[in-house]
Amino acid sequence: QKEVEQNSGPLSVPEGAIASLNCTYSDRGSQSFFWYRQYSGKSPELIMSIYSNGDKEDGRFTAQLNKASQYVSLLIRDSQPSDSATYLCAVRGSSASKIIFGSGTRLSIRP
Amino acid sequence: KAGVTQTPRYLIKTRGQQVTLSCSPISGHRSVSWYQQTPGQGLQFLFEYFSETQRNKGNFPGRFSGRQFSNSRSEMNVSTLELGDSALYLCASSGRQGLTDTQYFGPGTRLTVL
Repeated sequence: QKEVEQNSGPLSVPEGAIASLNCTYSDRGSQSFFWYRQYSGKSPELIMSIYSNGDKEDGRFTAQLNKASQYVSLLIRDSQPSDSATYLCAVRGSSASKIIFGSGTRLSIRP
Repeated sequence: KAGVTQTPRYLIKTRGQQVTLSCSPISGHRSVSWYQQTPGQGLQFLFEYFSETQRNKGNFPGRFSGRQFSNSRSEMNVSTLELGDSALYLCASSGRQGLTDTQYFGPGTRLTVL
């Protein structure tokens, strides 16, 4: 079983709709959770971090964390073509442990 | 604040050669992690250095090594290059944000092995 799992996609969403990206992790002791966006040929850029159960909103992005279910998600409201990218979920156990990345979900926003 | 910088950005080598890649972290960050990214394998963790000591290590052969200097700059070295080492090598530095460290990536070094 992979430590951090994501659906590879591609996930196709119409412009203006809500894109929902999901991630599950295996280490129940994980404390920190991150979402990165990566455009083709570029390096990952941080979108959001979340540490506590519940929702965290930043502009059009909302991260949701459920530690009991070992599940973290990212919602993108009012999806734009510029949101088309690969989204990487990352999980860290403690501040001294390495960050584990999922294989990423490819998101495509269709006009 | 300047971001993470990596040099060189592109590199072409032949099998059997060795290569050294450099990473300068964000000012004040003390942790530097290295990743290999290929289309088939995704983002694979190589190692992490914190205060000049290797803190975490991934599952790569001993041909891959790294070090960190007192100014937190880091280098990674790959010896006896193989075709399969062709990849984007990413460096990420960590600093305190909120409850725990968050990583910020550099632009990467694209290595092609012929």
